[in-house]
Amino acid sequence: QVQVVQSGAEVKKPGASVKVSCKASGYSFPSYYIHWVRQAPGQGPEWMGMIDPRVGSTSYAQRFQARVTMTGDTSTSTVYMELSSLRSEDTAMYYCARACVKGSSTSAVDYWGQGTLVTVSS
Amino acid sequence: QSALTQPRSVSGSPGQSVTISCTGTSNDVGKYNYVSWYQQHPGKAPKLMINDVNERPSGVPDRFSGSKSGNTASLTISGLQAEDEADYYCSSYAGTYSHVFGTGTKVTVL
Repeated sequence: QVQVVQSGAEVKKPGASVKVSCKASGYSFPSYYIHWVRQAPGQGPEWMGMIDPRVGSTSYAQRFQARVTMTGDTSTSTVYMELSSLRSEDTAMYYCARACVKGSSTSAVDYWGQGTLVTVSS
Repeated sequence: QSALTQPRSVSGSPGQSVTISCTGTSNDVGKYNYVSWYQQHPGKAPKLMINDVNERPSGVPDRFSGSKSGNTASLTISGLQAEDEADYYCSSYAGTYSHVFGTGTKVTVL
């Protein structure tokens, strides 16, 4: 069965970087885009970007373009999301999620990780 | 990319129908048939309920249905049940390899 498992909670100081991992199993890892979505406390989800694990190509939301890097490792079926220059407003739950259509960059996402809470505090 | 606009809350009694709107622009909802809807219970990850405007993934009850007209998509829950009380978010492909979520709607079962 499809599973998406993320790394554990992080506490970071302002200005630092955080790297969250997302390990997928139960399907052909290279064949499905992985998206990253964050959700600040009491707020709605915000799309951050996505990666095509097959070739490593990425697309980021404009507001994160300068600070986010998404990478993938097909040997371990894991994708990573690194966010730099953290500020208190980046405190949120960060989710990875798999696209529901093979090879599609336009489709919705169906399988979600459990979320990784990133807290930015001095 | 601005968030899609949803009503803050809707409510209904058990058995009734409720409809949630999701208004975007001619560059996202109006241009692509890639609108999806997610249900989120407190402390849980979102769950896909509708994709491609009106397609229900396996396991989603048929009382959930989606539609679109122009720049506005809608999610209708027919025969409202207690377990449908949750937050609902729409999402759309927005071109140039980007996606956008809605502002969210809290559904209350009276």
